[in-house]
Amino acid sequence: GEDVEQSLFLSVREGDSSVINCTYTDSSSTYLYWYKQEPGAGLQLLTYIFSNMDMKQDQRLTVLLNKKDKHLSLRIADTQTGDSAIYFCAGVGGSGNTGKLIFGQGTTLQVKP
Amino acid sequence: GAVVSQHPSRVICKSGTSVKIECRSLDFQATTMFWYRQFPKQSLMLMATSNEGSKATYEQGVEKDKFLINHASLTLSTLTVTSAHPEDSSFYICSALGQGRTGELFFGEGSRLTVL
Repeated sequence: GEDVEQSLFLSVREGDSSVINCTYTDSSSTYLYWYKQEPGAGLQLLTYIFSNMDMKQDQRLTVLLNKKDKHLSLRIADTQTGDSAIYFCAGVGGSGNTGKLIFGQGTTLQVKP
Repeated sequence: GAVVSQHPSRVICKSGTSVKIECRSLDFQATTMFWYRQFPKQSLMLMATSNEGSKATYEQGVEKDKFLINHASLTLSTLTVTSAHPEDSSFYICSALGQGRTGELFFGEGSRLTVL
């Protein structure tokens, strides 16, 4: 089955860029996702990338996908204190696009003023 | 965007009682919903896939008699934690797969269960 790995913690200063990395095992995942979770809250979809794309940019967010290495990254430009949260990458587990997501452990992003 | 609502957001119950958590898709129909469990400072663990009008599909290691899932309509799935024990205390999150929206999942805000 799908296995998704992330680094657990990242600390940056306000205004710097943040890069959160993720590796996955199932190359059949049609979509790969990034979610944000603030304390005590549910998940908020930040962005996703289709597996035939290398890069997707959405305002301050840039997603890079290296299919050969099965590596996904999320870059947040001009990181703000409001970006402090846990970020989860997720891939679709099992065959087909069933929506059954398998999540990484989550990366806690700490933004220092 | 599409909205998924969970209720209750917080619930405290005594050991041995049963607790029902509802997951509703408010502005779209969801033939498939998912239930996740999240322990403190850990990732989300998929518990089961809930399909409207049929039995839920449980992940390995999840007790189906303990966690009863009912998906009676296209907008509502319920998770009932039966005979709850303190180790069932957790954050439970549902998500719904939007019809016609390939690959797009919408998450509820989560329900925090505390079993005393």
